[in-house]
Amino acid sequence: AQTVTQSQPEMSVQEAETVTLSCTYDTSESDYYLFWYKQPPSRQMILVIRQEAYKQQNATENRFSVNFQKAAKSFSLKISDSQLGDAAMYFCAYRSWTTGNQFYFGTGTSLTVIP
Amino acid sequence: DGGITQSPKYLFRKEGQNVTLSCEQNLNHDAMYWYRQDPGQGLRLIYYSQIVNDFQKGDIAEGYSVSREKKESFPLTVTSAQKNPTAFYLCASSISPDSRGHTEAFFGQGTRLTVV
Repeated sequence: AQTVTQSQPEMSVQEAETVTLSCTYDTSESDYYLFWYKQPPSRQMILVIRQEAYKQQNATENRFSVNFQKAAKSFSLKISDSQLGDAAMYFCAYRSWTTGNQFYFGTGTSLTVIP
Repeated sequence: DGGITQSPKYLFRKEGQNVTLSCEQNLNHDAMYWYRQDPGQGLRLIYYSQIVNDFQKGDIAEGYSVSREKKESFPLTVTSAQKNPTAFYLCASSISPDSRGHTEAFFGQGTRLTVV
């Protein structure tokens, strides 16, 4: 089974600053999807950004962008101009393109935004 | 609006009782999932279903059961065999991974189960 590793259990950032959350994964597949989810205190899981492995261009969504390094199996999330509402737990997730329907999640990074 | 609905939001169970958590989606998704979330452990897969009348065990299926009689519904039963059922439970759905488009998991709002 694929594994997803988030090595930073907790991170903090000053409001308006930039922070990068790390994620690495282990797979032998060439085609797959990667995702970042946000879970605020309400515990609703919200998709932040998705990346298809076949696309070389890094995905961006407003203040959120990723650094996808396929050879290194790394998928970091950069949050620019951090806002108080960005405070949440962030989960990295992997999904195979072809084998099965499972999603594999990391253990999460708790982000604190300091006013 | 399309979405995925879990009910109830909070559920209390006495020891030795079975309880069923509801999950309904109107997104026309083939795949549905149940996850358990405990502090510091991320999301752990309990069961998943790729099509109606078929489902597979996940990593922590012991003490749980599911059914998939309709495409829209994937209820989870927490049985008395589950030794530590107090947790937050999340249901999700998705399209097939080989479909172009929105291949992410869509989540319900979760059910907090407490054993009293």
